[in-house]
Amino acid sequence: KNQVEQSPQSLIILEGKNCTLQCNYTVSPFSNLRWYKQDTGRGPVSLTIMTFSENTKSNGRYTATLDADTKQSSLHITASQLSDSASYICVVSRLGGGSYIPTFGRGTSLIVHP
Amino acid sequence: EADIYQTPRYLVIGTGKKITLECSQTMGHDKMYWYQQDPGMELHLIHYSYGVNSTEKGDLSSESTVSRIRTEHFPLTLESARPSHTSQYLCASSPRGTSGSWNEQFFGPGTRLTVL
Repeated sequence: KNQVEQSPQSLIILEGKNCTLQCNYTVSPFSNLRWYKQDTGRGPVSLTIMTFSENTKSNGRYTATLDADTKQSSLHITASQLSDSASYICVVSRLGGGSYIPTFGRGTSLIVHP
Repeated sequence: EADIYQTPRYLVIGTGKKITLECSQTMGHDKMYWYQQDPGMELHLIHYSYGVNSTEKGDLSSESTVSRIRTEHFPLTLESARPSHTSQYLCASSPRGTSGSWNEQFFGPGTRLTVL
């Protein structure tokens, strides 16, 4: 069964600290993995995309890693800011019928306190 | 900021009412999607469209219907709303193609529906 599991479910950190969010998946055949950020009351916005051959990608203070062998990804946030408070969703896509089929994780809710 | 819009943002209605959730995008994207999202849960695909006059049901069974008469417009209709329909509804679009970067979905702000 194609599944995406994220941990932790929620996380509270102090402003300025670093944190790492985890994503494990069983989606097959793997095509790509995206991390989205979803602010409260808003739609998700893409942060990074990684394909099979990529094992790290950065977008500002966000760095995603991918281990396609163990089917794990992480999202590392450096020097957190209050605006980082959001839900972070891992989405793994497989290619089927000529189109991408995404499987969504439940997200990690991050709260950054001053 | 993506050019995809949803109205209304919030809706509270009584049981049995017919409602239409609007979704429009100005990016010329062929593909459009409707998702249902409950608090703390993953997004569930309920409808999608690959272009004008194309509509398909998603993974999650839904009593809603959709139409795609114009590329930019993808409304979702509930003929008779029930309390079980209370949820957040997110609309998204993506451009055509199988290139890795092209399956990024651009999401609207969502409609939070409450059925009393």
